[in-house]
Amino acid sequence: QSALTQPASVSGSPGQSITISCTGSSSDVGGYDYVSWYQHHPAKAPKLIIYDVRNRPSGVSYRFSGSKSGNTASLTISGLQPEDEAHYYCSSYTRSSRVFGGGTKLTVL
Amino acid sequence: QVQVVQSGAEVRKPGASVKVSCEASGYTFNNYYMHWVRQAPGRGLEWMGTINPSGGSTRYAQTFQGRLTLTRDTSTSTVYMELSSLRSDDTAVYYCARDSRRSYYFDHWGQGTLVTVSS
Repeated sequence: QSALTQPASVSGSPGQSITISCTGSSSDVGGYDYVSWYQHHPAKAPKLIIYDVRNRPSGVSYRFSGSKSGNTASLTISGLQPEDEAHYYCSSYTRSSRVFGGGTKLTVL
Repeated sequence: QVQVVQSGAEVRKPGASVKVSCEASGYTFNNYYMHWVRQAPGRGLEWMGTINPSGGSTRYAQTFQGRLTLTRDTSTSTVYMELSSLRSDDTAVYYCARDSRRSYYFDHWGQGTLVTVSS
């Protein structure tokens, strides 16, 4: 199973919005509404921020939102804050297993 | 509250095996699949496999077939990840992550265990 494709890096200034894409295939992202996103700060455990394409767990800021079109899912972070600087990973269900994206480093300028 | 606590860092020589534990608490252990995910230095997250604590059935990523064994001990609410024939590129942080019962995502993660493979 090949990893999902994410941009290696994105950047934005505080208060701006950014979008991270996650491209797969009809066997994963396009085939199921089971895309999730994780925020990963160095030396910490990954944190779930979006599940089932667009749902936010309790306690996650409304500034995080998710969507999907065809084989590509997207994570949008609005009103960027310095603490948003981290790596972000998408993940999808696929044929009784899971696959992750390669990860995107978000830099808040 | 839900907690998932992993065992400490390990150092192994190439060719050896390593076994990492993941102890769960704060919920009904048998009701939630547990997954293992690793991150090698400078690399992204990689799904390794999953175990159903109720019955012990497993599924492994093709990459790890033949080298990875997931087991569980229901009496201590602990799952184990054993990786054999270690190579230097198995050096990574290994995470256990609980699967959601409602859907397909990881809702609680362990703190990670660094496994270093070096001669």
